Amino acid sequence: AQSVTQPDIHITVSEGASLELRCNYSYGATPYLFWYVQSPGQGLQLLLKYFSGDTLVQGIKGFEAEFKRSQSSFNLRKPSVHWSDAAEYFCAVWGTASKLTFGTGTRLQVTL
Amino acid sequence: DTGVSQDPRHKITKRGQNVTFRCDPISEHNRLYWYRQTLGQGPEFLTYFQNEAQLEKSRLLSDRFSAERPKGSFSTLEIQRTEQGDSAMYLCASASPQGANEQFFGPGTRLTVL
Repeated sequence: AQSVTQPDIHITVSEGASLELRCNYSYGATPYLFWYVQSPGQGLQLLLKYFSGDTLVQGIKGFEAEFKRSQSSFNLRKPSVHWSDAAEYFCAVWGTASKLTFGTGTRLQVTL
Repeated sequence: DTGVSQDPRHKITKRGQNVTFRCDPISEHNRLYWYRQTLGQGPEFLTYFQNEAQLEKSRLLSDRFSAERPKGSFSTLEIQRTEQGDSAMYLCASASPQGANEQFFGPGTRLTVL
């Protein structure tokens, strides 16, 4: 069965600093991987996705993620964080039964 | 607005009551998904429709839960005899035939069972 692990429950960074959120997945075949962002009380917005091809994918709001098959990882990065990036971030894998399996999320706090 | 919409956004009910939520997907999206998200957790898959056919149900979907998509457009999720453990955010997502792997989420319905 597919699974996603986000080892960091909560991360605090200063505005302007770089950011990396970790994601490890478990899936038998080639994974389809996603990062979503959720603001308090809201639904999920897709940041970026990886299906195949270039392992470095660009997303919205200046985010990027790198797929590393050897490490079963799909870490999210941003060179310079803005205060508006404070939110909950979810990594997900699409697999069997056409469903998404999500990690438990990483809450990002941005200090000014 | 052409995104996924859900109604109501918030629902407070007493234990034992029945509740029904509605989801309107993006037009022409033939796939519709329901997820449940509890505090501090990621969304968990509940069920999935392709057009009007319900193709997959999670073990999380007990007998008290029923979902329908009668005309292949909007969907309803009903919870009978609600329990406090049903308190959660219920999220709906839709996907097109071409981009079935990419799901677009609605704002969710937050259920509180007292």
